[in-house]
Amino acid sequence: GAVVSQHPSWVICKSGTSVKIECRSLDFQATTMFWYRQFPKQSLMLMATSNEGSKATYEQGVEKDKFLINHASLTLSTLTVTSAHPEDSSFYICSARGSGGAFFGQGTRLTVV
Amino acid sequence: AQSVTQPDIHITVSEGASLELRCNYSYGATPYLFWYVQSPGQGLQLLLKYFSGDTLVQGIKGFEAEFKRSQSSFNLRKPSVHWSDAAEYFCAVGRIKAAGNKLTFGGGTRVLVKP
Repeated sequence: GAVVSQHPSWVICKSGTSVKIECRSLDFQATTMFWYRQFPKQSLMLMATSNEGSKATYEQGVEKDKFLINHASLTLSTLTVTSAHPEDSSFYICSARGSGGAFFGQGTRLTVV
Repeated sequence: AQSVTQPDIHITVSEGASLELRCNYSYGATPYLFWYVQSPGQGLQLLLKYFSGDTLVQGIKGFEAEFKRSQSSFNLRKPSVHWSDAAEYFCAVGRIKAAGNKLTFGGGTRVLVKP
């Protein structure tokens, strides 16, 4: 099946710094990408939907200035957590949708210390 | 608004025994239903999905699920569990067919498998 790669798989950063997470569709073009967040022992919550070449649509309660999403090409979307705080520590997962369906990345575990 | 409830947070089952995970949904239109599995530290893998037609859906790894509209349920089953089935399972409902789209997830059920 189609492969979606997230990088990095895990990252530890200091409070106040910014972290960029990449989501790549390796063998298909993704017209739409979704970013989810999963707190420990909780379910996944959709953060935002991004379409290539346009601004992302954020879910209610998600700060767009804090979670910057860029979908500059059909194979790459990035999520930047700006001025990270410990409460941003979470598991972030992207989903990329192409003509053959949608597939999830392996996730990125972010720990802010 | 749509919602998904997985009543069981944890389930422990012996290897070789049968498994059933419950999922109830609330949705105003025709639901598109999915089951995903997440191994520790990993992303999600689609097990199966229901869009229409036969209400008993077969998926990968020997899993099946049955859609019951009258009960608003989409329970996942496996006749004989293997140790590798230990993971977290998520039921999800969406508005459109493609898996992994804008989905609402249940809280998940963690499955532990005893030897």
